[in-house]
Amino acid sequence: AQSVSQHNHHVILSEAASLELGCNYSYGGTVNLFWYVQYPGQHLQLLLKYFSGDPLVKGIKGFEAEFIKSKFSFNLRKPSVQWSDTAEYFCAVNIPGFQKLVFGTGTRLLVSP
Amino acid sequence: DTGVSQDPRHKITKRGQNVTFRCDPISEHNRLYWYRQTLGQGPEFLTYFQNEAQLEKSRLLSDRFSAERPKGSFSTLEIQRTEQGDSAMYLCASSSTQRERETQYFGPGTRLLVL
Repeated sequence: AQSVSQHNHHVILSEAASLELGCNYSYGGTVNLFWYVQYPGQHLQLLLKYFSGDPLVKGIKGFEAEFIKSKFSFNLRKPSVQWSDTAEYFCAVNIPGFQKLVFGTGTRLLVSP
Repeated sequence: DTGVSQDPRHKITKRGQNVTFRCDPISEHNRLYWYRQTLGQGPEFLTYFQNEAQLEKSRLLSDRFSAERPKGSFSTLEIQRTEQGDSAMYLCASSSTQRERETQYFGPGTRLLVL
């Protein structure tokens, strides 16, 4: 069965610091990869996604993620965080042709002004 | 897109009662999904529909849970004889098979508290 690991459960950063959130998945075949974000009081929103092609994916609000197949990883990055990036971030994976999304446990990011 | 909507947003019930939640997907989306999220966890898949057909159910979906999508539009999730362990956020998502790189879009969820 697929699983997704997000090793950082809580991250605290100051504004303008760089961010990298880890995501590893366990499945040996082709996968689709997603990062969702949940801002306080809001619903889950898609941040970015990878299906195929260029392993460096750019999303909204300056976020990007890199798919490294050999490491089964899809880490999320942002060069300079803002206070408004305070949120919970979820990595998710599904197998092409299968609809179930498997989520990690999430990372709570707090950005202090 | 007007977004996925869910009703109610909050539900408090007593153990043993039945509850029903509704989800309205994005209008042109033919797939609809239900997930459950408990504190400190990511969403967990429960079931999904393509049009009115329920195509997959998780083992998490016990006999007390039933989902329907009778006309291929909105869906309902009913929990019978609720237990305290059913307390969670119930999320609905939808997607379109017509879109390349099919992506699930989530609603605001229904938070259930079973006393």
